[in-house]
Amino acid sequence: DTAVSQTPKYLVTQMGNDKSIKCEQNLGHDTMYWYKQDSKKFLKIMFSYNNKELIINETVPNRFSPKSPDKAHLNLHINSLELGDSAVYFCASSFSTSGDVKQYFGPGTRLTVT
Amino acid sequence: RKEVEQDPGPFNVPEGATVAFNCTYSNSASQSFFWYRQDCRKEPKLLMSVYSSGNEDGRFTAQLNRASQYISLLIRDSKLSDSATYLCVVNNSPTGRRALTFGSGTRLQVQP
Repeated sequence: DTAVSQTPKYLVTQMGNDKSIKCEQNLGHDTMYWYKQDSKKFLKIMFSYNNKELIINETVPNRFSPKSPDKAHLNLHINSLELGDSAVYFCASSFSTSGDVKQYFGPGTRLTVT
Repeated sequence: RKEVEQDPGPFNVPEGATVAFNCTYSNSASQSFFWYRQDCRKEPKLLMSVYSSGNEDGRFTAQLNRASQYISLLIRDSKLSDSATYLCVVNNSPTGRRALTFGSGTRLQVQP
């Protein structure tokens, strides 16, 4: 009965490949996020979608392209993977109308680029 | 200067001890504040929101000082299961954006 789920959990791939990570939430939230946590454990926002509309797009290489087919799903496609893309990618979701903005995270996708 | 700064620790404390973590944030317009907990190789989980009046949840007490831009978390009667990294989190929310800004975390190790 997972609230925010991500697939795959682990992804090992070679430089130059293209890969996708998928996220789904069953909490009825209208806003979803992608965060990246690097080897120093620093968690940083990459993108956010509200009702399928991109509302946050931080300074991220354009090799990263998010897609939200509906408000319960947010996918992340990465082209031409580089060694520096190795990290844990977390999906999160929340209500946009809540003044408290509590976010709930998925279990993470551990990406290793070799 | 980082937007959210925390002492990385580790804080090594015996079971039953009281431990306090501090955090400072740089944006005086920050809207809301949280403490998240992250276990090793797991996702961050919301521990508690932090309100100006201070708030308590069992053994955990959070305080916010807007004038000093300072947030604290106090854990009383530490348990082994409290061992984790505690993330100070701020919502700046300019123009309706709702990205959270995370500190780099303070690691707590509770020892038997």
